[in-house]
Amino acid sequence: KNEVEQSPQNLTAQEGEFITINCSYSVGISALHWLQQHPGGGIVSLFMLSSGKKKHGRLIATINIQEKHSSLHITASHPRDSAVYICAVSLRGGADGLTFGKGTHLIIQP
Amino acid sequence: NAGVMQNPRHLVRRRGQEARLRCSPMKGHSHVYWYRQLPEEGLKFMVYLQKENIIDESGMPKERFSAEFPKEGPSILRIQQVVRGDSAAYFCASSLSRGGEIADTQYFGPGTRLTVL
Repeated sequence: KNEVEQSPQNLTAQEGEFITINCSYSVGISALHWLQQHPGGGIVSLFMLSSGKKKHGRLIATINIQEKHSSLHITASHPRDSAVYICAVSLRGGADGLTFGKGTHLIIQP
Repeated sequence: NAGVMQNPRHLVRRRGQEARLRCSPMKGHSHVYWYRQLPEEGLKFMVYLQKENIIDESGMPKERFSAEFPKEGPSILRIQQVVRGDSAAYFCASSLSRGGEIADTQYFGPGTRLTVL
């Protein structure tokens, strides 16, 4: 069993829809990261969180430490949001290498 | 402030040759991480370095792979005697050091796409 599980694996939605991507993890963590990888391959860090909720523009990330679960939400989705969204965790305290989920392939159709 | 820089962006090698991948972290960042993304697979951690020190190389294959982050200059990931299975995208990331138990945001470079013929 992977330490980080994401769902769904693939998601196609219409422009304007509210999007939710889920991430569950099975180990203790010091932080959870949401990353975005565009078709060209570049990776952008969207959020790093260890508790509560963070918002940036149309993106919202939440985490429930007790339930070992995080969600990434996209409001008013747009075709430019089409990308792979990756959940990753820092397993031990302090700076360390990330452990990644397999990613969610999101396609937003106009 | 330039982001994380990697070069080359694309690298083609024949089986048995050596591949050298370079990573310059963001200014002021002292932590460097290397990750590998095999075709159609997720990202995997390889190695974590600070200046002149390898902190964690638990994700690095035991043979043919090595990494360094010298006092001066970029971090280097070196793959000796490459094989077709080494074909992948190799990403470098860097972060600030705040010490203690605090994780920090990692900033990714554009990656090096290695193709082994």
